Amino acid sequence: AQKVTQAQTEISVVEKEDVTLDCVYETRDTTYYLFWYKQPPSGELVFLIRRNSFDEQNEISGRYSWNFQKSTSSFNFTITASQVVDSAVYFCALSEGKAAGNKLTFGGGTRVLVKP
Amino acid sequence: EAQVTQNPRYLITVTGKKLTVTCSQNMNHEYMSWYRQDPGLGLRQIYYSMNVEVTDKGDVPEGYKVSRKEKRNFPLILESPSPNQTSLYFCASTWGETQYFGPGTRLLVL
Repeated sequence: AQKVTQAQTEISVVEKEDVTLDCVYETRDTTYYLFWYKQPPSGELVFLIRRNSFDEQNEISGRYSWNFQKSTSSFNFTITASQVVDSAVYFCALSEGKAAGNKLTFGGGTRVLVKP
Repeated sequence: EAQVTQNPRYLITVTGKKLTVTCSQNMNHEYMSWYRQDPGLGLRQIYYSMNVEVTDKGDVPEGYKVSRKEKRNFPLILESPSPNQTSLYFCASTWGETQYFGPGTRLLVL
């Protein structure tokens, strides 16, 4: 069975600090997909990134970066120079693709609070 | 603009009164799904649909029904809502392995 663990339930930082969110996953499949979603206080779920299991390249998008390490089953997310607008709950999620009905298994989420 | 819409966004109802939450996508996606989000339990899949007239149960299907008569719509039906179905509901539409979520429907069952 799939499992996603986000050990940090809440992180509080001061604006401009960097913050790293940890995500560890478990799956028996060799093909799978990892995601990060953002849930701001308004409640919607915003897609941030998808990573395929066969692509371990790290990715940077503006102030966001992701570090995928298959050897440790981790897919960590870093926000550089955090801003107040980054305050949200961030979810890591895993999918085994169409063969498993595209079901997303979510971690418990990490609440990030960025103080001015 | 590509989007997933849900209606209503907020709903207060009473136990046993049938309700439908609509979900619509304008991206011609084949795969759609419903999730509920609860404090302490996270996000869990209720039902999903691989295509028109093809639906299947997710992890928590009890008390819910769905239908997929056309590709763009995937309504969630609560035939006899109960207080334990008070939750935040999300519809999602999938393109290329990525699920894009609607804005959510907050449901309170009294």
